[in-house]
Amino acid sequence: LAKTTQPISMDSYEGQEVNITCSHNNIATNDYITWYQQFPSQGPRFIIQGYKTKVTNEVASLFIPADRKSSTLSLPRVSLSDTAVYYCLVGYIKAAGNKLTFGGGTRVLVKP
Amino acid sequence: DAGVTQSPTHLIKTRGQHVTLRCSPISGHKSVSWYQQVLGQGPQFIFQYYEKEERGRGNFPDRFSARQFPNYSSELNVNALLLGDSALYLCASSSGQPAGEQYFGPGTRLTVT
Repeated sequence: LAKTTQPISMDSYEGQEVNITCSHNNIATNDYITWYQQFPSQGPRFIIQGYKTKVTNEVASLFIPADRKSSTLSLPRVSLSDTAVYYCLVGYIKAAGNKLTFGGGTRVLVKP
Repeated sequence: DAGVTQSPTHLIKTRGQHVTLRCSPISGHKSVSWYQQVLGQGPQFIFQYYEKEERGRGNFPDRFSARQFPNYSSELNVNALLLGDSALYLCASSSGQPAGEQYFGPGTRLTVT
């Protein structure tokens, strides 16, 4: 299973862009990169997923270089409510098995 | 559409007891995964079921077992509870397709005293 490394914590201010980089040097060909957000005592919430290049949705962008050994989650113009733990996962879910492993996550604190 | 539901929300048990946690996946999802999340750590994978068959098992003792029913709901059972089993137990459902998103329920907070 691909191991991921991401910063333990990051501080930011309201209105700023937050970028969280995740390293996954041994990513496999079939692996996808998925980011989840989690608030205390709640289940993780899906943010974005990608395989290569750039993916953008209404809440975030995901940048994946050609070698796929890292990825960067970009949260534009964060607000106080974006204070949460963000997990980078590498792997896949399919009928044949769950190949996803959560790491320790990045604790993002957004200050006023 | 209803999301993933779990019951109960909170549970307090004593050491040595047995517990059953329940999960109902999103309609149309055939895969259910269970995770244990200890305070301050990321979720740890316990089991995955797809079409009522176990398709994956994490590094948990045999005291942990699960099953999936014909309606795709699932139960997680833990026998001979230990203090260290105190955690948030999360259920996630997915379509079972590669790279399918996992949708998590709110979790069951289990406290073992």
